[in-house]
Amino acid sequence: KNQVEQSPQSLIILEGKNCTLQCNYTVSPFSNLRWYKQDTGRGPVSLTIMTFSENTKSNGRYTATLDADTKQSSLHITASQLSDSASYICVVSDRGSTLGRLYFGRGTQLTVWP
Amino acid sequence: EADIYQTPRYLVIGTGKKITLECSQTMGHDKMYWYQQDPGMELHLIHYSYGVNSTEKGDLSSESTVSRIRTEHFPLTLESARPSHTSQYLCASITGSSHEQYFGPGTRLTVT
Repeated sequence: KNQVEQSPQSLIILEGKNCTLQCNYTVSPFSNLRWYKQDTGRGPVSLTIMTFSENTKSNGRYTATLDADTKQSSLHITASQLSDSASYICVVSDRGSTLGRLYFGRGTQLTVWP
Repeated sequence: EADIYQTPRYLVIGTGKKITLECSQTMGHDKMYWYQQDPGMELHLIHYSYGVNSTEKGDLSSESTVSRIRTEHFPLTLESARPSHTSQYLCASITGSSHEQYFGPGTRLTVT
């Protein structure tokens, strides 16, 4: 069964600290993996998208890694800011159809305290 | 910034009412999607479209219907709203080249 599991479910850190969010997946055949940031009551916004051949990709203070062999990804946030408080969603796409079926994780709820 | 819009942003209606949630995008994307998301839960695909006059049901059973008469519009309709339909509804579209999926801001629906 194709699944995407994220950990931790929630995380609280102090402003300025770094953190790492985890994503494990069983989706096959794999096409790409995306990380989204979703503010409360808003739609998700894309942070990074990685294909099979990419190991790491950065977007400002966000750095995503991908290990396609172990089917794991991480999102590292550097020097956190209050505005980083949001849900971070891992999404994996398969190559099994022209639709590019998307599998969503439940997200990690990050709270940054001053 | 993605050009995908949803209206209304918030809606509170009574049971039995018919409602239509609007979604429009100005990027010329062929593929559009509707997702349903409960608080703290993952997004569930309820409808998708490959293009004009093409609509399909998603993974999550839904009593809603959709139409795609024009590329830029993908409205979702509930003929008779029930409290179980209370949720957030997110519309999205995808580019053909980069496979980047853009989401609208969502409609928060409450059925009393």
